[in-house]
Amino acid sequence: GAGVSQSPSNKVTEKGKDVELRCDPISGHTALYWYRQRLGQGLEFLIYFQGNSAPDKSGLPSDRFSAERTGESVSTLTIQRTQQEDSAVYLCASSLGLAGGPQETQYFGPGTRLLVL
Amino acid sequence: RKEVEQDPGPFNVPEGATVAFNCTYSNSASQSFFWYRQDCRKEPKLLMSVYSSGNEDGRFTAQLNRASQYISLLIRDSKLSDSATYLCAGNPSGGSYIPTFGRGTSLIVHP
Repeated sequence: GAGVSQSPSNKVTEKGKDVELRCDPISGHTALYWYRQRLGQGLEFLIYFQGNSAPDKSGLPSDRFSAERTGESVSTLTIQRTQQEDSAVYLCASSLGLAGGPQETQYFGPGTRLLVL
Repeated sequence: RKEVEQDPGPFNVPEGATVAFNCTYSNSASQSFFWYRQDCRKEPKLLMSVYSSGNEDGRFTAQLNRASQYISLLIRDSKLSDSATYLCAGNPSGGSYIPTFGRGTSLIVHP
């Protein structure tokens, strides 16, 4: 079956521009997570959705970052006025249920590689 | 102190060797743990989940020691294709739904 997909796979942008990253989770997965991974680093949690709701936005690095999810499916992560330190791989994962619960196994998308010049 | 810590390595081992990685965690409320494999420029893929004392799948064995707060991954009879970064993750219990990932341990299996 179809896995998690993300688009674009690569994005090069200029400092100060806005970018929008998209995640299509596995159908039926109510939980969706966004992570950032810098080169040689682990996964940094950004935000999660339970359905269309994002109860905890504390992982977002700054107010330039926002995310939304519509129809319990597609999610978009928007970065406004990009900075060079935003350069990273942005990974999306979905699961049937939230982490810590019985259906918590996360499946990752291939990521979007963002380079801010 | 980071919530989940791993030795970044690299662990450089010959084909056929047995290698073990440890992952320590600081949140005693962590309920479940996972080992992911991540190949270069690829997404993490689930290798094993650990809910109680351990789990075994072929050449891979994961063990959980709650008293000492660490999880281990043992790989027997290493293959060249095992070369990758292995990420450890801990999932919380009791109302926080945010997993914590380690930075990963790099494994290089050479001929």
